[in-house]
Amino acid sequence: QITLKESGPTLVKPTQTLTLTCTFSGFSLSTSGVGVGWIRQPPGKALEWLALIYWDDDKRYSPSLKSRLTITKDTSKNQVVLTMTNMDPVDTATYYCAHQRTLGGFDYWGQGTLVTVSS
Amino acid sequence: QSVLTQPPSVSGAPGQRVTISCTGSSSNIGAGYDVHWYQQLPGTAPKLLIYGNSNRPSGVPDRFSGSKSGTSASLAITGLQAEDEADYYCQSYDSSLSGNWVFGGGTKLTVL
Repeated sequence: QITLKESGPTLVKPTQTLTLTCTFSGFSLSTSGVGVGWIRQPPGKALEWLALIYWDDDKRYSPSLKSRLTITKDTSKNQVVLTMTNMDPVDTATYYCAHQRTLGGFDYWGQGTLVTVSS
Repeated sequence: QSVLTQPPSVSGAPGQRVTISCTGSSSNIGAGYDVHWYQQLPGTAPKLLIYGNSNRPSGVPDRFSGSKSGTSASLAITGLQAEDEADYYCQSYDSSLSGNWVFGGGTKLTVL
């Protein structure tokens, strides 16, 4: 059974750096083809893909946010970490991590964590 | 503005059939990349509904079906039920500078 859970601060101040951790179980990020991604959703708005890391440490970022994002993995801890620098109120959103199927599509999602950016 | 265009809302009466379109371009759907569909019930995480254009994960009723043609894809829901009221998103891969994985803007389905 695959599960994922996001953790991190619920409130960050403008200009601060956000660090979110995705802790998962039921699969290994050292298995060929496996990927874990981050997706966010501002209140009342659409989903936005942010970043994805593969089993071989290949990393992909949304071009519009690439300069602010870093994704890493700790295979031994079954964790994926996303950092986003220079947070702004427009970054207020629910942040999800999700398991990507080998042939595409995110088939398992975490419950999401709401991050509010406010002074 | 999303790379994949969906109607903001659709509606239908119980038992009816509705379709939700997802229009892309030659750098995503038209380039042959697969389309995936998600259902998001209020206050919950998205759920994969259709993968690889037309495949249903285990547990998804066969009332839900997906198709793709040219630069567009569609999600069809037959025998509409009250529990189908949700937001629906399409997703694909885009080879242009606009992004790697892209989502549509979402469609709110209202069951009348």
